[in-house]
Amino acid sequence: SAVISQKPSRDICQRGTSLTIQCQVDSQVTMMFWYRQQPGQSLTLIATANQGSEATYESGFVIDKFPISRPNLTFSTLTVSNMSPEDSSIYLCSVSKNRGDEQYFGPGTRLTVT
Amino acid sequence: SQQGEEDPQALSIQEGENATMNCSYKTSINNLQWYRQNSGRGLVHLILIRSNEREKHSGRLRVTLDTSKKSSSLLITASRAADTASYFCATDSGTASKLTFGTGTRLQVTL
Repeated sequence: SAVISQKPSRDICQRGTSLTIQCQVDSQVTMMFWYRQQPGQSLTLIATANQGSEATYESGFVIDKFPISRPNLTFSTLTVSNMSPEDSSIYLCSVSKNRGDEQYFGPGTRLTVT
Repeated sequence: SQQGEEDPQALSIQEGENATMNCSYKTSINNLQWYRQNSGRGLVHLILIRSNEREKHSGRLRVTLDTSKKSSSLLITASRAADTASYFCATDSGTASKLTFGTGTRLQVTL
């Protein structure tokens, strides 16, 4: 399995500001994803982070709100822009070595927007 | 929208008993994966079962898959207090390896 780290682990932010979350993997992976888990809920996919090209967003999520970068096969960032209290969630990155393989998750970033 | 529905939503058992959680889904899948989450922390990967497999074991865990009924079950045998957590199933459909998560089961194991 892959070792995945996320920074920060938690943050409290004011509305209207932006936060960038980093995801680092200890080995090269083909697939990287970003998920959101709202309080008391299950996980929802935000986007697939594509290496060297624009991310692929799911319905209901847009690049202006959640810009994503993936400069190489071990690193990705998710920015939550112009935050509102509704953005308070846990944000998790996940990776798969190849398509169809086990998908492993990072420890998550707990974001609170006041 | 969530593809998977899990039942029960919550399960409370005593240490040593077995716990069974069920997951139903709606479309054809490539594989189904089970995860554990402790108190809103990261997800721990438990088992992946592919669409051509019917049963898999890992330690005290047994997973079954019935593609004709579009359902899966996770059995934890001889449960321990440390098994207290939320358990999620997630399905991989299509070509992009995107996971669609179920609603989750909260398991409480008491001494």
